[in-house]
Amino acid sequence: DAGITQSPRHKVTETGTPVTLRCHQTENHRYMYWYRQDPGHGLRLIHYSYGVKDTDKGEVSDGYSVSRSKTEDFLLTLESATSSQTSVYFCAISETPPGGAGANVLTFGAGSRLTVL
Amino acid sequence: KQEVTQIPAALSVPEGENLVLNCSFTDSAIYNLQWFRQDPGKGLTSLLLIQSSQREQTSGRLNASLDKSSGRSTLYIAASQPGDSATYLCAVVGTSGTYKYIFGTGTRLKVLA
Repeated sequence: DAGITQSPRHKVTETGTPVTLRCHQTENHRYMYWYRQDPGHGLRLIHYSYGVKDTDKGEVSDGYSVSRSKTEDFLLTLESATSSQTSVYFCAISETPPGGAGANVLTFGAGSRLTVL
Repeated sequence: KQEVTQIPAALSVPEGENLVLNCSFTDSAIYNLQWFRQDPGKGLTSLLLIQSSQREQTSGRLNASLDKSSGRSTLYIAASQPGDSATYLCAVVGTSGTYKYIFGTGTRLKVLA
């Protein structure tokens, strides 16, 4: 987990409340990602960023928004949390895009466990 | 649509055994494949990254192979140890989606002392 920190690590909230998860990196990597991990589904990409203020949707982006105002921080916001968003959320970073000949490894944070009651 | 499958979902072996974990993917048009390890309650740690032009990669007791034409990768662990107990996941990046790793659901390995 060196170089990448997620906060909070655990959160319990109620349906309808807003939630923001933070990912902070000290590696100066350009690419950042938010995944969710659920039993039976594996890891699924929510949103990703390819630079400051440059973000795009992944495969399960509905109900989530992201922002990246600085290289080191990538925020994931649930505007109005629902029980279906109960999950473990992982942030990941990479120095280069996953595709292409020069692809680098994907480095993950320790995860944020979110429970929506 | 790319799908990644890992069978078996769980595996128990005695310490010292050599073992093979399997990863299958449906679309052979990939940039690369990566193997990860996940310990309970922790994030994923990258073990090996194989580019599409490579056939295998090695790191210590680990060896990963890639056969794009058959849509398969294997992770070989030599002389397994209890510390190898974890969930192992593979992920591929298809040529149609530069930023998107598609993950398998993993194989949960338990090495018995």
